[in-house]
Amino acid sequence: QSVLTQPPSVSAAPGQKVTISCSGSSSNIGNNYVSWYQQLPGTAPKLLIYENNKRPSGIPDRFSGSKSGTSATLDITGLQTGDEADYYCGTWDSSLSSWVFGGGTRLTVL
Amino acid sequence: EVQLVESGGGLVQPGGSLRLSCAASGFTFSNFPMTWVRQAPGKGLEWVSAIGATGSDTYYADSVKGRFTISRDNSKNTLCLQMNSLRADDTAVYYCAKVDGGHYVSGPMSSYYYYMDFWGKGTTVTVSS
Repeated sequence: QSVLTQPPSVSAAPGQKVTISCSGSSSNIGNNYVSWYQQLPGTAPKLLIYENNKRPSGIPDRFSGSKSGTSATLDITGLQTGDEADYYCGTWDSSLSSWVFGGGTRLTVL
Repeated sequence: EVQLVESGGGLVQPGGSLRLSCAASGFTFSNFPMTWVRQAPGKGLEWVSAIGATGSDTYYADSVKGRFTISRDNSKNTLCLQMNSLRADDTAVYYCAKVDGGHYVSGPMSSYYYYMDFWGKGTTVTVSS
């Protein structure tokens, strides 16, 4: 059971938009910054979003993040088949003094 | 270019030990915290341990506390994870990652904005008899 809750899977057609949610508590998302990671099949995770809504160099603006209260959201617009991957949210938990990840969301582009 | 290369994985019997290493290059290693994250077969990411830039601060997941020890050698740009009393549920791909960000204090609260900006390709640990 992960400290952060994500939907196990989401799907949408190419060109459409998808939203992945990440729900936590005041000790993690509520008080700290969220990052998102993309893991393409058979590869290592890659940073997608940091500090709730910032994109590293090279990440297209089709990917965006936001946070409100104890929840965070990753939006992906203009879906491409190459976006099929597992997506994880993560943040520091101040009560646990540990990093916590969501359980991951598998994106299928139909 | 940042590069992180893990090594040391392999097959080990339950109760055995293994030492993982992560060779870092392309950045000033001594300036950044580092972390280990693992992924069991077919499962999600699980944070394992982290260490501050100087090595004086260490953090562990409850699942490995008392069995694993994280360390770093800033003179050799190397991160290590000593794993003892290994169990079958430690079987996973182990990734090392560079940590960026930090924290600030606002009144009575601290807010953390750490994130894992670069990851290695991972090394596989299999615990089985």
